[in-house]
Amino acid sequence: DVKVTQSSRYLVKRTGEKVFLECVQDMDHENMFWYRQDPGLGLRLIYFSYDVKMKEKGDIPEGYSVSREKKERFSLILESASTNQTSMYLCASSPWGQSYGYTFGSGTRLTVV
Amino acid sequence: AQTVTQSQPEMSVQEAETVTLSCTYDTSESDYYLFWYKQPPSRQMILVIRQEAYKQQNATENRFSVNFQKAAKSFSLKISDSQLGDAAMYFCAYRRNFGNEKLTFGTGTRLTIIP
Repeated sequence: DVKVTQSSRYLVKRTGEKVFLECVQDMDHENMFWYRQDPGLGLRLIYFSYDVKMKEKGDIPEGYSVSREKKERFSLILESASTNQTSMYLCASSPWGQSYGYTFGSGTRLTVV
Repeated sequence: AQTVTQSQPEMSVQEAETVTLSCTYDTSESDYYLFWYKQPPSRQMILVIRQEAYKQQNATENRFSVNFQKAAKSFSLKISDSQLGDAAMYFCAYRRNFGNEKLTFGTGTRLTIIP
């Protein structure tokens, strides 16, 4: 069974902390994505990557950075967590071209206090 | 920029009945894909159904079917014989068929199944 695995299901961090959200896929997909999900706002794209060491800004990149050192792993970094970054974070991957959509992880619910 | 609109934040349906979830989108493209994703309480997003814009025939997957109206830019999801396991958030998504384009999602519709 193909998988996108997010390292934490729930996470609680303090304001100002540096936070790492990890995502690993085992499907040899070129593309990986980080979305943020908030009630009434749907899924908003933070960053995506179409190759190792490549990254592109999505719609809401402010306050976030990413790292992709290996094809299977895509990390989302909150350099200095703030309360307005409390949210559900979803990782996804897809082959190049994406005609068949994405495969998603099961999400990390991050609370910043 | 493309936008996807789901105007029904919440819907409910009696078990075994049929329900239709609405989705409209805005694009100037003629070649694109449309998707419906389901997110149950487990949070795992699952692809329900996919439609290619250049195909006039509406896609179907068992109890799930779509009504794709290209001129009206409408893409509704019909769930027949609703089951308790259909309770979830449903997201409509769009992607133009060009290069390595990303998906654009709507805001979602929460579907409740009444036993």
